[in-house]
Amino acid sequence: KQEVTQIPAALSVPEGENLVLNCSFTDSAIYNLQWFRQDPGKGLTSLLLIQSSQREQTSGRLNASLDKSSGRSTLYIAASQPGDSATYLCAAVNTGTASKLTFGTGTRLQVTL
Amino acid sequence: GAGVSQSPRYKVAKRGQDVALRCDPISGHVSLFWYQQALGQGPEFLTYFQNEAQLDKSGLPSDRFFAERPEGSVSTLKIQRTQQEDSAVYLCASTLPRFVTGELFFGEGSRLTVL
Repeated sequence: KQEVTQIPAALSVPEGENLVLNCSFTDSAIYNLQWFRQDPGKGLTSLLLIQSSQREQTSGRLNASLDKSSGRSTLYIAASQPGDSATYLCAAVNTGTASKLTFGTGTRLQVTL
Repeated sequence: GAGVSQSPRYKVAKRGQDVALRCDPISGHVSLFWYQQALGQGPEFLTYFQNEAQLDKSGLPSDRFFAERPEGSVSTLKIQRTQQEDSAVYLCASTLPRFVTGELFFGEGSRLTVL
């Protein structure tokens, strides 16, 4: 059974810092890995999707990497802004069960002025 | 529609009541998913529809939970004889392709509180 872990559970950084969020998964037989953002009381917004054959994906100030062999993904946020404050969730899709995402518990990020 | 729409946004039920939660996915999206999110946790998979066919219901926690998507568009998640442990946010998501091969679009969720 796939298990996804995110460290740290919470993170507070001053505005302007670059930061890295970590995601690890136990089963490397994944179809893709996705990163989402969740604001309080809201649904999830898709940020980046990395297919199993890819190493990384970039969108603006966000860069996500994937290392299947080590069971790790990282989300890099450059030049953080207060508007980046949210909970960030990673989720894996396994090749044998491509109907479901297995989510981590998220990293709650606060960017302070 | 412009996005995934869920209703009601908030529902308070007495223990033992039946509830129905509605999801209106993005028009034309083939795949529809229901997830359950407890406070402080990541979403947990409940069930998956491809058009009107329920292809995976392995995440439904008990036979009190039932989901349908009769015409391949709107979906309803029904919980019978609600229990306190059913209190959670129920999220619906849709995507154009089959399975989770593309970007998922989530609704804002229905927050269920069982007293």
